[in-house]
Amino acid sequence: ETGVTQSPTHLIKTRGQQVTLRCSSQSGHNTVSWYQQALGQGPQFIFQYYREEENGRGNFPPRFSGLQFPNYSSELNVNALELDDSALYLCASSWRVGAYNEQFFGPGTRLTVL
Amino acid sequence: GESVGLHLPTLSVQEGDNSIINCAYSNSASDYFIWYKQESGKGPQFIIDIRSNMDKRQGQRVTVLLNKTVKHLSLQIAATQPGDSAVYFCAENGGSGGGADGLTFGKGTHLIIQP
Repeated sequence: ETGVTQSPTHLIKTRGQQVTLRCSSQSGHNTVSWYQQALGQGPQFIFQYYREEENGRGNFPPRFSGLQFPNYSSELNVNALELDDSALYLCASSWRVGAYNEQFFGPGTRLTVL
Repeated sequence: GESVGLHLPTLSVQEGDNSIINCAYSNSASDYFIWYKQESGKGPQFIIDIRSNMDKRQGQRVTVLLNKTVKHLSLQIAATQPGDSAVYFCAENGGSGGGADGLTFGKGTHLIIQP
C-alpha cells in the first residue's frame, strides 16, 4: 500500500452538479497528478500540481480544475457533471527531483453520474 | 502525447508458468517507461520501470525489456502465482522528464492465472 489516500471512496451525483474529490499525498512528496480511469480503460492524465500551481494538463475541459495546498494535498473539482464523467478518479503523488519520477497511486474515488 | 497500446486484452497462463505481456508505444520522445499492476478496486501499483538508455531491467520475478528500434516493451513474470492475477498497464512519460505531461497508459492486459 502507498501512503496516498483519497476521499470519498464512492460518490453518486446527478448530471449538472459539481463535485470535489480529495487527495493526500505520500509523506515527502511535493507533486500530485490526477487521472481519470473509465471502466475497462487505462488511466488518462488530467493535470499535475507542483508547488501549488498547475504544472501540466491533459486533454480535459476547463470544468475540470484543481488545487494544491501548502501541505501538498490536493483537490479535483468538476463542474457541470456529465454522464461520461462517471469513472474512477486516481491521484498519484511523486517527489519531483531529476528527470524520472515514480508516481505512487491512491486507491481512487469511484464517481457515478446519473 | 501519442498513445501506448497493448497487443492482447486477456492473457491466461498456468500457475507456475512464465508470463509475457507486450506493449507497443508510438511516442519516440518517451524516455521513461513503467509497468503497473492494478487489482480490482485498487489503484495502479508500481512494478518496475526502465529508462531509454537501458534495454533490460530485472526485479524480483519480473523483467522488463525495451526495444527502442521497434518501440516495444515487454514484462516477463517468472513462475506466475495466483496473486499475479490483475490488469497490467504499461505507461510512458512522453519525454516529459518532470512529469508535467503526465503518464500515457495503454488499455491494459488482464492476466488470468489458471490453477
